[in-house]
Amino acid sequence: QQQVKQSPQSLIVQKGGISIINCAYENTAFDYFPWYQQFPGKGPALLIAIRPDVSEKKEGRFTISFNKSAKQFSLHIMDSQPGDSATYFCAATEANFGNEKLTFGTGTRLTIIP
Amino acid sequence: DADVTQTPRNRITKTGKRIMLECSQTKGHDRMYWYRQDPGLGLRLIYYSFDVKDINKGEISDGYSVSRQAQAKFSLSLESAIPNQTALYFCATSDALAEVTDTQYFGPGTRLTVL
Repeated sequence: QQQVKQSPQSLIVQKGGISIINCAYENTAFDYFPWYQQFPGKGPALLIAIRPDVSEKKEGRFTISFNKSAKQFSLHIMDSQPGDSATYFCAATEANFGNEKLTFGTGTRLTIIP
Repeated sequence: DADVTQTPRNRITKTGKRIMLECSQTKGHDRMYWYRQDPGLGLRLIYYSFDVKDINKGEISDGYSVSRQAQAKFSLSLESAIPNQTALYFCATSDALAEVTDTQYFGPGTRLTVL
């Protein structure tokens, strides 16, 4: 069973536009929500992460929005650039388990077109 | 991340063969992980190890085994490969002593094809 559901599977956005990727989770014990970015031929790398004590976290053009009551979180990429073209994975874990219980979403392939 | 290396990067093998994928890290981390990535399924945890003497099964350990030879080395074996084990395999590490312990650092991956 998929504990973290991610959508859309693929996304095409024009340069300068806003890219939005959504994730929903079921386990209310999850309390750490990272996003990983993966370029072709590379391993995933941590992009940004949030804990549920805040509703939003921003780092440059990347923002996580978190809705605890709806059990949803999303990644927003402002002013999307061709270099942002990659696969994005949301994930979730429970702090008391540490990171061995990092559960990933199914991934979103983002393509930014000029 | 160059601090986490995986060998081989690509491997084609036949059904029934024994295969070993190797992972080495120079980050000095205690925790190491093996994942497989399949299109539409994301990353799924196969095994993880918190230190040389601690090895745990992940979500999809059937058909796989691991060996933690040293803090820096963690190998994944397929005792008798089957076609549905064709996938991209990633090794990852994390630092149990870091302020933020949940960040995982991934290697470049091994693309395995079982014919």
